[in-house]
Amino acid sequence: NAGVTQTPKFQVLKTGQSMTLQCAQDMNHEYMSWYRQDPGMGLRLIHYSVGAGITDQGEVPNGYNVSRSTTEDFPLRLLSAAPSQTSVYFCASSYSMVSSTIYEQYFGPGTRLTVT
Amino acid sequence: KNEVEQSPQNLTAQEGEFITINCSYSVGISALHWLQQHPGGGIVSLFMLSSGKKKHGRLIATINIQEKHSSLHITASHPRDSAVYICAEMDSNYQLIWGAGTKLIIKP
Repeated sequence: NAGVTQTPKFQVLKTGQSMTLQCAQDMNHEYMSWYRQDPGMGLRLIHYSVGAGITDQGEVPNGYNVSRSTTEDFPLRLLSAAPSQTSVYFCASSYSMVSSTIYEQYFGPGTRLTVT
Repeated sequence: KNEVEQSPQNLTAQEGEFITINCSYSVGISALHWLQQHPGGGIVSLFMLSSGKKKHGRLIATINIQEKHSSLHITASHPRDSAVYICAEMDSNYQLIWGAGTKLIIKP
């Protein structure tokens, strides 16, 4: 298994440009999520999905869109990049996220995004 | 608002020392998650625990649900343990709320 893969690893955008960060997992996990990590702050949830066709907003969703057309893929779209979106982005997946059970989270390697 | 606080924020120790990292949370939960983030950025899951204690090699995690507190211990610390250690609790919407992390440096 490749686990959770993310592309690209690095990206530089100009303000106003749009782009899509790719995330894929081959573990048949139901739950997938996107986080951003900024210096001195914890991981903050952007969007998440509990299964194909289902997405929901996390703590910091503004400026980002997601879709989940398949179990494997969960792309994150930046609609109009802003300098405030400069961050490291992590995609994660787990078997499920129901009830009060925590299942092990598997993280991708991250995408370092700079918006100038 | 759910909050997860870790202490210390930064910790530097000598090789061989016993390390303790603390995590306090504000909402009663059923389980807590510990992660390790390597200097290169990769994140791996260490523990998920809902009561008592778990041990994996030189790492030990404990949790006290009543006191809303968890600790991560490292015995016989080694420079390769240098990393950021992050804890997380699950909120009422079953979303993970992450602490800011503890940066650990073990000097040889």
